[in-house]
Amino acid sequence: LAKTTQPISMDSYEGQEVNITCSHNNIATNDYITWYQQFPSQGPRFIIQGYKTKVTNEVASLFIPADRKSSTLSLPRVSLSDTAVYYCLVGLSGGYNKLIFGAGTRLAVHP
Amino acid sequence: EPEVTQTPSHQVTQMGQEVILRCVPISNHLYFYWYRQILGQKVEFLVSFYNNEISEKSEIFDDQFSVERPDGSNFTLKIRSTKLEDSAMYFCASSWGTLDEYEQYFGPGTRLTVT
Repeated sequence: LAKTTQPISMDSYEGQEVNITCSHNNIATNDYITWYQQFPSQGPRFIIQGYKTKVTNEVASLFIPADRKSSTLSLPRVSLSDTAVYYCLVGLSGGYNKLIFGAGTRLAVHP
Repeated sequence: EPEVTQTPSHQVTQMGQEVILRCVPISNHLYFYWYRQILGQKVEFLVSFYNNEISEKSEIFDDQFSVERPDGSNFTLKIRSTKLEDSAMYFCASSWGTLDEYEQYFGPGTRLTVT
């Protein structure tokens, strides 16, 4: 299971783009990169997943450089409701897919 | 959109009592999980369940814990004799498959308070 490092916290303002970078130097060839979001007192929610290059959905974009040793979650034009903890997970354990969460990045969006 | 549901939303119990937390996973999912999150701490994996048996469990999931799928829809977590340190949010999750690309859907959680 690849170790991930991401900032403990970030602050932003409404309407700004937020980029959260995750380092995963020992990512394995078969590993996917997955991001979850958790609002206070709620369960985590899948945001986006990718293997290489760029992935975009209605919520976010995920940028993965060629060496795959890091990834960046991009949230366009954040609003107050994007205030949450964002988790980067790499190399799900395989087998029965247990998720191992780190401390995540606590994003605070201010008016 | 289909969702995982959990009941109750909040359970208060006395130390030493048994509790059963209930979950209804998404109907066509095959894999089921329990996680817990102590206030202010990380989400921790407890157990995964497939084909009516435990497929993996963490060190936290000791003999005091058990899981069951008593019928075609419910998935339960039982704690036989609760301790103060069992106080946490308990999240149920389900997924269709186990490869990386099968996302897990989490329920809203049950807040367990042991007094």
